[in-house]
Amino acid sequence: IHMTQSPSSLSASVGDRVTITCRASQSISTYLNWYQQKPGKAPKLLIYAASSLQSGVPSRFSGSGSGTDFTLTISSLQPEDFATYYCQQSYSTLMSTFGQGTKLEIK
Amino acid sequence: EVQLLESGGGLVQPGGSLRLSCAASGLTLRSYAMSWVRQAPGKGLEWVSGISATGGSTYYEDSVKGRFTISRDNSKNTLYLQMNSLRAGDTAVYYCAKENARRYFDFWGQGTRVTVSS
Repeated sequence: IHMTQSPSSLSASVGDRVTITCRASQSISTYLNWYQQKPGKAPKLLIYAASSLQSGVPSRFSGSGSGTDFTLTISSLQPEDFATYYCQQSYSTLMSTFGQGTKLEIK
Repeated sequence: EVQLLESGGGLVQPGGSLRLSCAASGLTLRSYAMSWVRQAPGKGLEWVSGISATGGSTYYEDSVKGRFTISRDNSKNTLYLQMNSLRAGDTAVYYCAKENARRYFDFWGQGTRVTVSS
């Protein structure tokens, strides 16, 4: 199952509303997860099962979608949100796949 | 506090071998499936291999099948990745990650760097 994120990079300002999309090459129901990664750090789980917020993650992060099309939305960007975001499908029991990543930069 | 601590990375020549370890604390590893995920320099995340909670089922990304072996010793609360016939393309930071029942990764180690070069 191939995962495609868009855009690959994005420039935005503090306070902006930002949306990142992820498309699966086949239906994956809601087996879609989102991670945030900062330079030199391990990824951090933000959203699981397409729309469930991981404990401790700020409520400005939200996820939606099912089937093949998914979105991650940050309602009001904060300085600490500038990072790279990855989607991951966990539908396949044989292997997992990640999107190529979206780098969110300060405008 | 849950912690996953990888070790065993380093510099190895093409064709060589390394064994990575991932020691868990703050959780009982035998209750969870686990995976290895890698990230080549400047690149994205790539799932490499996974193993069921009991160790009875293992899964591999196509490019590492036949070269890498994932295993676990639940008595030692440790996950392993034996990497043989290493190639330059295996150069990456390797993370171990705990899987939730829906196979998302809710805890990650800090990573161990593997460099394959002559």
